[in-house]
Amino acid sequence: AQSVTQPDIHITVSEGASLELRCNYSYGATPYLFWYVQSPGQGLQLLLKYFSGDTLVQGIKGFEAEFKRSQSSFNLRKPSVHWSDAAEYFCAVDSDSWGKLQFGAGTQVVVTP
Amino acid sequence: NAGVTQTPKFRVLKTGQSMTLLCAQDMNHEYMYWYRQDPGMGLRLIHYSVGEGTTAKGEVPDGYNVSRLKKQNFLLGLESAAPSQTSVYFCASSRGQGSYEQYFGPGTRLTVT
Repeated sequence: AQSVTQPDIHITVSEGASLELRCNYSYGATPYLFWYVQSPGQGLQLLLKYFSGDTLVQGIKGFEAEFKRSQSSFNLRKPSVHWSDAAEYFCAVDSDSWGKLQFGAGTQVVVTP
Repeated sequence: NAGVTQTPKFRVLKTGQSMTLLCAQDMNHEYMYWYRQDPGMGLRLIHYSVGEGTTAKGEVPDGYNVSRLKKQNFLLGLESAAPSQTSVYFCASSRGQGSYEQYFGPGTRLTVT
């Protein structure tokens, strides 16, 4: 069955430290890949997306993600976390380009001083 | 430019009651989507529309109906609410196939008692 897995439900990171969020997918072909962020009580905002080409993609707010076909992964990274990065992060997949996103369960990020 | 708006923001229903959630977008987007968000499950697609007058089922359509009579509006109906429909509902829109960023509304929190 097609699936999107975010192995980490909750991550705590110190302000200024680096952050990496994991995402693995299970699809027959390489789907379209996305990372969204949800601040408390808000809707979702697109951080970045991967369709094809360069496997390292840059997004907003200093985030980047790397697509690794061999590992079926699309991990999100940020070199230095700010307190405002505390939020829930969702990996999502579109397998047929109609925008029918399938989301992972999300990773809650807590930033400590 | 308000983006994607949802009405109402909160609602409490009794089992068996009906209601309609309204989503409106002012970006002239072709595609619109309804998702539900439940703890630990990410967002799941309920129904979507690829243009005025068209609708299609998503991953979890049972118990919901939708209509897209006007391009800017996408309505989600619950004919006979059940406690299992307690959730946060998000609407999203995008320009259409080939332009994949989805813009999300702020959500509607629905409780069915």
